[in-house]
Amino acid sequence: EVQLVESGGGLVKPGGSLRLSCAASGFSFSVVTMNWVRQAPGKGLEWVASISSHSDYISYADSMRGRCTVSRDNGKNTMYLHLSSLRADDTAVYYCTRGDPIFDYWGQGTLLTVSS
Amino acid sequence: QSVLTQSPSASGPPGQRVTISCSGSSSNIGTNTVKWYQQLPGTAPRLLIKSNNQRPSGVPDRFSASKSGTSASLAIGGLQSEDEADYYCAAWDDSLNGYVFGPGTKVTVV
Repeated sequence: EVQLVESGGGLVKPGGSLRLSCAASGFSFSVVTMNWVRQAPGKGLEWVASISSHSDYISYADSMRGRCTVSRDNGKNTMYLHLSSLRADDTAVYYCTRGDPIFDYWGQGTLLTVSS
Repeated sequence: QSVLTQSPSASGPPGQRVTISCSGSSSNIGTNTVKWYQQLPGTAPRLLIKSNNQRPSGVPDRFSASKSGTSASLAIGGLQSEDEADYYCAAWDDSLNGYVFGPGTKVTVV
């Protein structure tokens, strides 16, 4: 069974940084592209970043470029999202998703709240 | 402002057919496949339509999708109470070099 489990969310002050993790199981993690998608409270879905199977192709949404870094450790079946210079409008549930160009599995998400 | 546009809401009684539209441009829907995602209240999104009109296993065949030019649509035939959810269209955008989602359509069964 495919499982994606996000962690690392919490309350962060504006200007702070945080690293989110996504632990994958139930499939060959090292051969698939992985992605982050976020959803602000009461809002729609927003793609954040994607990373190819061997990290040779990485892309970011314009809204996040320069403030986030996506990475992965295929030996640990885990993807990461490092966020910095956080703002209130970064408050959202961050979902880990599998696949490209189809996001066929989603985790349950981890909530990041940016507030003083 | 979303690159893809969707009507904010749709509704109908049980058994009725409901159609949701998604409008884009030549850089997204016009040249790339459209995916549809369903988000039930309080849950994570799930893939509903893989690529234009392909359903993953487990998705009822009352869900169907189509695309024409720079627009796409999702139809729910025989609306059921468990279909109450937000529905999002999505596609890769060649100009933005990234994925774009529509703002979502809330479907209500009245």
